[in-house]
Amino acid sequence: KAGVTQTPRYLIKTRGQQVTLSCSPISGHRSVSWYQQTPGQGLQFLFEYFSETQRNKGNFPGRFSGRQFSNSRSEMNVSTLELGDSALYLCASSLEGGADIQYFGAGTRLSVL
Amino acid sequence: EDQVTQSPEALRLQEGESSSLNCSYTVSGLRGLFWYRQDPGKGPEFLFTLYSAGEEKEKERLKATLTKKESFLHITAPKPEDSATYLCAVPNQAGTALIFGKGTTLSVSS
Repeated sequence: KAGVTQTPRYLIKTRGQQVTLSCSPISGHRSVSWYQQTPGQGLQFLFEYFSETQRNKGNFPGRFSGRQFSNSRSEMNVSTLELGDSALYLCASSLEGGADIQYFGAGTRLSVL
Repeated sequence: EDQVTQSPEALRLQEGESSSLNCSYTVSGLRGLFWYRQDPGKGPEFLFTLYSAGEEKEKERLKATLTKKESFLHITAPKPEDSATYLCAVPNQAGTALIFGKGTTLSVSS
């Protein structure tokens, strides 16, 4: 069974640009969650999508947004990039979300210059 | 506020030197506690889920235990390949997201 796939693996952007990250969940999983991981803050929850609807949202500014498609694939968008957005962005999928076991992709490493 | 605290932040062991990692949490109405392993440049890999106080789970040299306020990850006779960051997480009180600790980075030297 294929795991969670994230693309691209690495991205370099400059301040003010926008970026889109992609996540393909494990087949049959309907929930996709996104996390930001930085050395100082650790893993922080961004948002969760379930059946194409954003079900939960963490404490991040509106520049961070996402969507989920009918095949459960998800995208995350960050607009007007800031230096502080440099991080590893992780996607996790689970059957039902919430307190379910979440399986993570390898992440997208975003560097903002 | 829901919180997860892991200690120590870093741990250096010699091969074969057993030790324990700690994860304490303040969420009430625990819906599960998750342990993950993360290697550099990779996403977290699921290890265990514990649901009730007294529960234990084992996998190779790792054993996870759970009490009412904390969990321990015991590493018996570690090998260099056990070197990684170990993360624990609990669902928030609403059960809508996982809250992660900042992890313990384990280094095992031969």
